[in-house]
Amino acid sequence: EIVLTQSPATLSLSPGERATLSCRASQSVSSYLAWYQQKPGQAPRLLIYDASNRATGIPARFSGSGSGTDFTLTISSLEPEDFAVYYCQQRSNWPPVYTFGQGTKLEIK
Amino acid sequence: QVTLRESGPALVKPTQTLTLTCTFSGFSLSTSGMCVSWIRQPPGKALEWLALIDWDDDKYYSTSLKTRLTISKDTSKNQVVLTMTNMDPVDTATYYCARIEGSYHGPFDYWGQGTLVTVSS
Repeated sequence: EIVLTQSPATLSLSPGERATLSCRASQSVSSYLAWYQQKPGQAPRLLIYDASNRATGIPARFSGSGSGTDFTLTISSLEPEDFAVYYCQQRSNWPPVYTFGQGTKLEIK
Repeated sequence: QVTLRESGPALVKPTQTLTLTCTFSGFSLSTSGMCVSWIRQPPGKALEWLALIDWDDDKYYSTSLKTRLTISKDTSKNQVVLTMTNMDPVDTATYYCARIEGSYHGPFDYWGQGTLVTVSS
């Protein structure tokens, strides 16, 4: 089973700064990687799918990149509402099995 | 407008069977490529995928939990049901249902708000 490792576990930044979150897969997942944002008491929200495509309604400050085993979520200039936990997720080839990373908590410095 | 809503007991006893229902609107699970999954999240921990059912009634399960899980659908009622047997306190979590559109590759684009299930005697 593919394992996703996210780093760092916690990222402390200030509004206006650039955030770079990493997700590494234990084996290639092609480009079938998604990113989600989760705020306390809320369900996850889809941000990025297929490694680099923004979901509907997601601001342009969010971008995704990577393929194979190494992926990055970048938030170009942090807004106060961006401080949350971020998860990456992949789907194994066949049969479909889905795994999530352990999350990166983005906190206000 | 796509919505999903989970329902079920808030408290179950150890060894009991949990039955959760996901009631959705705004799409049909008989549409080719449409899937609904269950995902859970223990308090303060990461997300864990549990099961998926697709438009063709094919079913897929988490490797580690597949002996305890059953997923089914009632297309006429727009519902997906998950049962989990032999519940244990470690199964205490918020349980979400979520949609995939387009194929198994697709992300979970819409989620329910989740339902917290506590396992305790």
